[in-house]
Amino acid sequence: SQELEQSPQSLIVQEGKNLTINCTSSKTLYGLYWYKQKYGEGLIFLMMLQKGGEEKSHEKITAKLDEKKQQSSLHITASQPSHAGIYLCGATFSSNTGKLIFGQGTTLQVKP
Amino acid sequence: NAGVTQTPKFRILKIGQSMTLQCTQDMNHNYMYWYRQDPGMGLKLIYYSVGAGITDKGEVPNGYNVSRSTTEDFPLRLELAAPSQTSVYFCASSYSRTGGEQYFGPGTRLTVT
Repeated sequence: SQELEQSPQSLIVQEGKNLTINCTSSKTLYGLYWYKQKYGEGLIFLMMLQKGGEEKSHEKITAKLDEKKQQSSLHITASQPSHAGIYLCGATFSSNTGKLIFGQGTTLQVKP
Repeated sequence: NAGVTQTPKFRILKIGQSMTLQCTQDMNHNYMYWYRQDPGMGLKLIYYSVGAGITDKGEVPNGYNVSRSTTEDFPLRLELAAPSQTSVYFCASSYSRTGGEQYFGPGTRLTVT
């Protein structure tokens, strides 16, 4: 079983619609990272959350970390074709090494 | 700054062959990581390093070796390639273990046949 579970695994939305991707941990997180990946490319850092209840936004993307630091959500408002790709959450569980454990990823398609 | 660079971009190996995947970063980061990505499985940590001369195993180290003789370079060695090592390999680096983002290279797509 995965330490970090993402849902849904894939998502197809119409352009302009809102969507949410969830990332759930089996234990308390130290830090939670969101990355985006376009097919055949490396990962691009989106946001990092560390404090319970924290919320960050960048353009039309908002990420939240729950108070218990075991679940995060990524919300995209008014989706655009440029939002398409694979979204991955990664987590650290201690401050010692910075090792990231990743969820399995969510593939997002945005239909024009 | 070039960031994190990886070579080669693509490689096909025969079973039993060996190769080294190169990774270099020019950001003076102490922390470096190797991941593999299989379809629908996210990324799995193979090895990591917290500084020159120090390396440690990640989640899936079997069949791989690493070295870290300089801050900039962190090569990954496959000694006896197996079909199970067909994957996309990513190298990453970070300046902090406690909260900094990891910067990823573009990846190496490896096929073992």
